[in-house]
Amino acid sequence: EVQLVESGGGLVQPGGSLRLSCVVSGFTFSDYWMHWVRQVPGKGLVWVSRIDGDGRTTSYADSVKGRFTISRDNAKNTLYLQVNSLRVDDTAVYYCARGTVGRPDYWGQGTLVTVSP
Amino acid sequence: EIVLTQSPATLSLSPGERATLSCRASQSVSNYLAWYQQKPGQAPRLLIFAAFNRATGIPARFSGSGSGTDFTLTISSLEPEDFAVYYCQQHSNWPPAFGQGTKVEIK
Repeated sequence: EVQLVESGGGLVQPGGSLRLSCVVSGFTFSDYWMHWVRQVPGKGLVWVSRIDGDGRTTSYADSVKGRFTISRDNAKNTLYLQVNSLRVDDTAVYYCARGTVGRPDYWGQGTLVTVSP
Repeated sequence: EIVLTQSPATLSLSPGERATLSCRASQSVSNYLAWYQQKPGQAPRLLIFAAFNRATGIPARFSGSGSGTDFTLTISSLEPEDFAVYYCQQHSNWPPAFGQGTKVEIK
């Protein structure tokens, strides 16, 4: 069974940082692109970042470029998102997802990041 | 950047009825179009990929059609568990993008 479990969210002040993690199981992690997608509660889905199977190719939405860094540790079956210089409008549930280069298929349950003074 | 517009915003139907959801792209995405279902408090679930292919375990009452700029998700006969929000997503062009969603609610 494919499973993805996010952690690392929480309450942080503007300008602060967090490291989100996503531990996966049930599939060969290194075979897949991985994605981070976020959702403001009650609003729509917004794609944030992606990384290829060996971690060499990454992409970011313009709104997070230069502030967020995606990475992975294939030995630990873990995906990361380092989020720096957080702003109030970064408040959202952050989902990790397995997928192809552009399309998530299996999603985790999400971790909530709240940025507030 | 490609923009996806979903219509209607809300669809009010009864169990057993047919649901037809639309997704229109601002430029052609070929068949690089997926549909997701999201229930309150849950993660999205992939329903359809490459415009018309059902994902693993998705019931046959869900079907997708279209290509280029106009796409449709059809639920042939609504079951109680189908009342949810549905999103389309394109991955033809950078960056990938989602539509704003269609809520299918019980009438």
